[in-house]
Amino acid sequence: GAGVSQSPSNKVTEKGKDVELRCDPISGHTALYWYRQRLGQGLEFLIYFQGNSAPDKSGLPSDRFSAERTGESVSTLTIQRTQQEDSAVYLCASSLARPTDTQYFGPGTRLTVL
Amino acid sequence: KQEVTQIPAALSVPEGENLVLNCSFTDSAIYNLQWFRQDPGKGLTSLLLIQSSQREQTSGRLNASLDKSSGRSTLYIAASQPGDSATYLCAVRPTSGTYKYIFGTGTRLKVLA
Repeated sequence: GAGVSQSPSNKVTEKGKDVELRCDPISGHTALYWYRQRLGQGLEFLIYFQGNSAPDKSGLPSDRFSAERTGESVSTLTIQRTQQEDSAVYLCASSLARPTDTQYFGPGTRLTVL
Repeated sequence: KQEVTQIPAALSVPEGENLVLNCSFTDSAIYNLQWFRQDPGKGLTSLLLIQSSQREQTSGRLNASLDKSSGRSTLYIAASQPGDSATYLCAVRPTSGTYKYIFGTGTRLKVLA
């Protein structure tokens, strides 16, 4: 079946512009995660959605970052007034609800802020 | 606060060697530990998932062990091949809070033909 998909695969933007990144999880996966990976570094957790529960936003680095999820499907991560330090690969993952279930990752969106 | 460390940061070996990648974590309160592979410019591919009640998992030439009490996991790769060249990431899933993974910074492996 289809895996996690993300779009766009690459995004180049100018400092100060807003960007929107999209994630389509695996059908039936109630949990969805966003992570950020800066060059040469590990993955940093950003935000977690689980069904209709309030999202865990504890990893969002600033109020310029926000994310939404429509039911148990598509999620969008929005970065307002982008800064050069926002340049990174943004990875989305989805899983079933149990903590023992594995997370499946999308290919990521590479964001470059000039 | 859970922290995950991977050693070595980079490793270069000749083809055919057996090798071990190390992962350590500071808090043993985890649901599971997972090893991932990441190829340049690509997403993560799950290799092995070890639940907290398990000691090891095997898939083909890969074997991962978990010693939860000491906060350690190893990924053993037998008879390495050039196609194994990638970054290997270890991640733990803490039992506290939401079910997000905490990742190590990875080991960059290069297998020379």
